[in-house]
Amino acid sequence: DTEVTQTPKHLVMGMTNKKSLKCEQHMGHRAMYWYKQKAKKPPELMFVYSYEKLSINESVPSRFSPECPNSSLLNLHLHALQPEDSALYLCASSQYTYTEAFFGQGTRLTVV
Amino acid sequence: GQQVMQIPQYQHVQEGEDFTTYCNSSTTLSNIQWYKQRPGGHPVFLIQLVKSGEVKKQKRLTFQFGEAKKNSSLHITATQTTDVGTYFCITFNDKIIFGKGTRLHILP
Repeated sequence: DTEVTQTPKHLVMGMTNKKSLKCEQHMGHRAMYWYKQKAKKPPELMFVYSYEKLSINESVPSRFSPECPNSSLLNLHLHALQPEDSALYLCASSQYTYTEAFFGQGTRLTVV
Repeated sequence: GQQVMQIPQYQHVQEGEDFTTYCNSSTTLSNIQWYKQRPGGHPVFLIQLVKSGEVKKQKRLTFQFGEAKKNSSLHITATQTTDVGTYFCITFNDKIIFGKGTRLHILP
């Protein structure tokens, strides 16, 4: 199994809502990542987890809250988002930090 | 901080023509990875280069890492419509650095 599965594929949420994005991999990878991608731009790194511990937070606003419940799962909790947070949110995993990364299909988030 | 400049930003080629994208850095890179993202898709890993002067081939794709490890290129021979997408380079030191990508359009 070489897949990274993200749910949901699409999400529309209001600025007062709380929602969560989920990511799952069963490749035994020890590093997991959240990226944000705007149209026609490269992905921007948000968070890196290594061995289930947060190792990198790229100065992401606190309205985004990551969680790694176990080595296979990565969540991104969303609260009080702004319309400019609308983007494709990509999860990725790799054997170790900075090795070949496998990306999920992404969650297309629209904040209204 | 370290940056990687990727050029060109866009490239339109006739089907069958060759295509090259470059990533350049002012500082030595420890390694470089290349990814492809199809329109509406997600990035897919293509290759990792680590050694100075390294050249790797995958069918019509040739990847090079410069002798000084400050630049890298991806060359596609005889492009096909399936090559459409954006090609990104990524490098790592103490952080992950993405090139801005080269968007390849194929004209039939």
